[in-house]
Amino acid sequence: RKEVEQDPGPFNVPEGATVAFNCTYSNSASQSFFWYRQDCRKEPKLLMSVYSSGNEDGRFTAQLNRASQYISLLIRDSKLSDSATYLCVVNPTGNTGKLIFGQGTTLQVKP
Amino acid sequence: GAGVSQSPSNKVTEKGKDVELRCDPISGHTALYWYRQSLGQGLEFLIYFQGNSAPDKSGLPSDRFSAERTGGSVSTLTIQRTQQEDSAVYLCASSLAGTGGPKDEQYFGPGTRLTVT
Repeated sequence: RKEVEQDPGPFNVPEGATVAFNCTYSNSASQSFFWYRQDCRKEPKLLMSVYSSGNEDGRFTAQLNRASQYISLLIRDSKLSDSATYLCVVNPTGNTGKLIFGQGTTLQVKP
Repeated sequence: GAGVSQSPSNKVTEKGKDVELRCDPISGHTALYWYRQSLGQGLEFLIYFQGNSAPDKSGLPSDRFSAERTGGSVSTLTIQRTQQEDSAVYLCASSLAGTGGPKDEQYFGPGTRLTVT
């Protein structure tokens, strides 16, 4: 079993749609969680950290469910510019910077 | 300010040759990481440097891979006797503290695309 698992998609949605991605992780002791965004042939960039209480940044909402060991990302009112691959990322240790990346979920927003 | 830079941006090499990939982290960042990304795959952790501590080499796939970080700044990833399966994008990242916590964002360089023929 992979340490971090995501549905690779692609998710094809129309502009304005709401879309949600889930991710599961295997290490119950994992401490920190993130969503990174990667555009085609570009480097990953941090989208948002994920907190236990859930957090929101504009149209983006991230949730963490420790009991079920999954993380979610909700994108509301999708824009064409949201088209990218979204990487679920977990820090399994809590005291080093070693991150484990999921394979990524590809989102295509269509006009 | 300047971000993470990597060189070369592209490298084509023949099977069996050695290659060196370079990473310049953001000034002041104590932690430096190497990852690789194969076609259609997620990022695979390779090695992590944090200050003066011994590096975490747990992700290096074989003893053909090695890395060093001189003076706590620039890092070089060396692959000896390259194989076709080494073809990938090699990404370097740096972060301020190296804790991996929510405030310790990793900033990535543009990567080096390595092709072994």
